[in-house]
Amino acid sequence: QKEVEQDPGPLSVPEGAIVSLNCTYSNSAFQYFMWYRQYSRKGPELLMYTYSSGNKEDGRFTAQVDKSSKYISLFIRDSQPSDSATYLCAMSPSGANSKLTFGKGITLSVRP
Amino acid sequence: DVKVTQSSRYLVKRTGEKVFLECVQDMDHENMFWYRQDPGLGLRLIYFSYDVKMKEKGDIPEGYSVSREKKERFSLILESASTNQTSMYLCASSGGQDIRGCYTFGSGTRLTVV
Repeated sequence: QKEVEQDPGPLSVPEGAIVSLNCTYSNSAFQYFMWYRQYSRKGPELLMYTYSSGNKEDGRFTAQVDKSSKYISLFIRDSQPSDSATYLCAMSPSGANSKLTFGKGITLSVRP
Repeated sequence: DVKVTQSSRYLVKRTGEKVFLECVQDMDHENMFWYRQDPGLGLRLIYFSYDVKMKEKGDIPEGYSVSREKKERFSLILESASTNQTSMYLCASSGGQDIRGCYTFGSGTRLTVV
């Protein structure tokens, strides 16, 4: 079993839809959880950062961590064509700046 | 704004050539990383460094080496390029304990070995 599993996608939704992206993990030591967004032909950029369990909201984006289930989610409300990108989850036991374990990423397409 | 700059966006090299990929960061980050990204395989860690002149092997170090002579610069070296090293190469840096220390990636170098 891989340490981090992410739905492979791709995922296509109409504009305005609510999008749910998910990752599961096996290492109970993970404490720091991140979501990165990667546009085509660009490097990934940090989108959301959470420590331990709970929810974090930033505009249309909500990151959710359930450590008891070893499950993290990213919700995108009122999705826009500009949200079309690849989304990668990442996690670490010892800090967001230390060696991260990434999911493989899921490509999202938001249709106008 | 943290900047991680990779020297080339696109590179075409011949089999057997020695290839240097350069990465420079301007945030005084301690940690630097080299990944390759391939469709269906995600990001795979090649090498990383937590300090000057220090290096650690990642998950797929074979065929690669690195150099970190200065804190801001981390170079990836393909000793003898092969076609299976055709890939997107991403450099990242990180440091500090808060969100500002999270990984920052460069824009990537798309390397084609022919």
